[in-house]
Amino acid sequence: AQSVSQHNHHVILSEAASLELGCNYSYGGTVNLFWYVQYPGQHLQLLLKYFSGDPLVKGIKGFEAEFIKSKFSFNLRKPSVQWSDTAEYFCAVRDTGNQFYFGTGTSLTVIP
Amino acid sequence: KAGVTQTPRYLIKTRGQQVTLSCSPISGHRSVSWYQQTPGQGLQFLFEYFSETQRNKGNFPGRFSGRQFSNSRSEMNVSTLELGDSALYLCASSSRGQGAQETQYFGPGTRLLVL
Repeated sequence: AQSVSQHNHHVILSEAASLELGCNYSYGGTVNLFWYVQYPGQHLQLLLKYFSGDPLVKGIKGFEAEFIKSKFSFNLRKPSVQWSDTAEYFCAVRDTGNQFYFGTGTSLTVIP
Repeated sequence: KAGVTQTPRYLIKTRGQQVTLSCSPISGHRSVSWYQQTPGQGLQFLFEYFSETQRNKGNFPGRFSGRQFSNSRSEMNVSTLELGDSALYLCASSSRGQGAQETQYFGPGTRLLVL
């Protein structure tokens, strides 16, 4: 079975700091990759996705992620975080059986 | 387009009872997936329905079941509730599902508390 690992469970940053959240998956076949965000009191929203092509994908709100196939990784980055980025972030992988697997999430707190 | 809706939003039940949760997907979407979200476990896949058929199933006991209607609305049922079933249950819809480059869109969830 597929597994998705998010190494950072809790991250605390000051505003304007750079962010990188790790995501690794175990499946060796073709995958689609996603990052979702859950703001306090809101439902999960799609930040960005990778299906094919350029491994560096850009999403909403200045987020980007890089797919590195050899490392089975899809790390999320943002050069300068804002207080409004405080949220929980989930990495997800969809395998060829169309099943989605989610990581356990990373809670990000941005201090003004 | 209206988003994914789930009812009820909050539910309190006692052990041994059963519960039915409802999900209405985005108009035109035929695939509905259900997830259980708990602190520390993240989102765990329950099952997926497409065109009224269960297409994928996660690793949950048979107390968890679901169905999908011809209008793509889906229900999830949990029988003989246990304290550990307390969680946020999320529904997600996508248009075509399997084999396509699909994105799932999530509803707000139903928060179930089992006492």
